[in-house]
Amino acid sequence: DAGVIQSPRHEVTEMGQEVTLRCKPISGHDYLFWYRQTMMRGLELLIYFNNNVPIDDSGMPEDRFSAKMPNASFSTLKIQPSEPRDSAVYFCASSLAGGSYEQYFGPGTRLTVT
Amino acid sequence: EDQVTQSPEALRLQEGESSSLNCSYTVSGLRGLFWYRQDPGKGPEFLFTLYSAGEEKEKERLKATLTKKESFLHITAPKPEDSATYLCAVFDSGGGADGLTFGKGTHLIIQP
Repeated sequence: DAGVIQSPRHEVTEMGQEVTLRCKPISGHDYLFWYRQTMMRGLELLIYFNNNVPIDDSGMPEDRFSAKMPNASFSTLKIQPSEPRDSAVYFCASSLAGGSYEQYFGPGTRLTVT
Repeated sequence: EDQVTQSPEALRLQEGESSSLNCSYTVSGLRGLFWYRQDPGKGPEFLFTLYSAGEEKEKERLKATLTKKESFLHITAPKPEDSATYLCAVFDSGGGADGLTFGKGTHLIIQP
């Protein structure tokens, strides 16, 4: 398996623009997680899905953020409108099951909002 | 609220100089403690999961141990390729969610 795939790897956009980040989890994994990593706050969970259904979005910072998982092999994280404080590395991870099962991370998308 | 604190924030060692990284945690019910390695520009790479106090796991020069309050990642005779940021994370049954709570990591540099 190719592992978790994320695109784009880098995104530079201007404040106010819409940004869409994409993720393809490992085949057969039932859980998909979106995390954000910054120097100040480290890795933070934003939202996760089980069998394509959003389970917990309490980590989503505000209504400008939304995530979808239309099928088992694809998920998106959208920011609209983007702000400079959204600049971070966004990771997608997947696991066979929740909780105590190990999560496998993608390479991340480095987002810069100017 | 779950808390995970890693120390030191950064550690510089000479090749072959053994040491330990610390991860202290506060959770209502630990269901798993995870160690990950993260190289610059890459996603975290899974190393170990520990489930109960007293458990130990080893992989090459790394050994992870767990007590009721903390975990240690022991690095024996490290090599320059062991340089990375090491992240600790916990899964807590009390929160009702399946995501992990991560510490901020220890940035380890092994000098040849």
